[in-house]
Amino acid sequence: GIQVEQSPPDLILQEGANSTLRCNFSDSVNNLQWFHQNPWGQLINLFYIPSGTKQNGRLSATTVATERYSLLYISSSQTTDSGVYFCAAEYYGGSQGNLIFGKGTKLSVKP
Amino acid sequence: DGGITQSPKYLFRKEGQNVTLSCEQNLNHDAMYWYRQDPGQGLRLIYYSQIVNDFQKGDIAEGYSVSREKKESFPLTVTSAQKNPTAFYLCASSKAGAQSSSYEQYFGPGTRLTVT
Repeated sequence: GIQVEQSPPDLILQEGANSTLRCNFSDSVNNLQWFHQNPWGQLINLFYIPSGTKQNGRLSATTVATERYSLLYISSSQTTDSGVYFCAAEYYGGSQGNLIFGKGTKLSVKP
Repeated sequence: DGGITQSPKYLFRKEGQNVTLSCEQNLNHDAMYWYRQDPGQGLRLIYYSQIVNDFQKGDIAEGYSVSREKKESFPLTVTSAQKNPTAFYLCASSKAGAQSSSYEQYFGPGTRLTVT
């Protein structure tokens, strides 16, 4: 079936370090989103990025649709960046609006 | 402020009881969605609705029911037929896309349901 795979599953960083999170998807996508889930469970939208590159402050994302992957870059990490980062994709030909989620990358930033 | 509200934040029920989770949005979005999250996992789609008075099953609809009588509201009922109802439930909304187009989804704060 259609899959979204994220790596690494867990990541521990020292404050100030940079990191790259990866999302591989198995088919062509209509929609690709990156979310940050905070400790209270709220999903915070980071990027809507079915293709191309976007930047928002210390975060940036790139999706290479032809090669079926997306990358989330976190620079100068802070303890408030801790949490779980999810990638989710909606596939062409799938149920409209059905975001398929990866299992997430759990990020811990140590002071 | 525009946004999505879900209530209650925590809900406890005895096995065998139906329970309804509320989701309201004031973003003027046509489409609304319900997802379920289990510990250590991503989200899975339960039901979605692209327009009032219409809704479709997602990947894990068994044991759940929904209604969409108003654009702003999309309540989810967890019935006694749902075998493992304890989970974190998240509601989302988006503009409604035409076939093969898609819009960004925004999520509510979620409801943690515990059934014992």
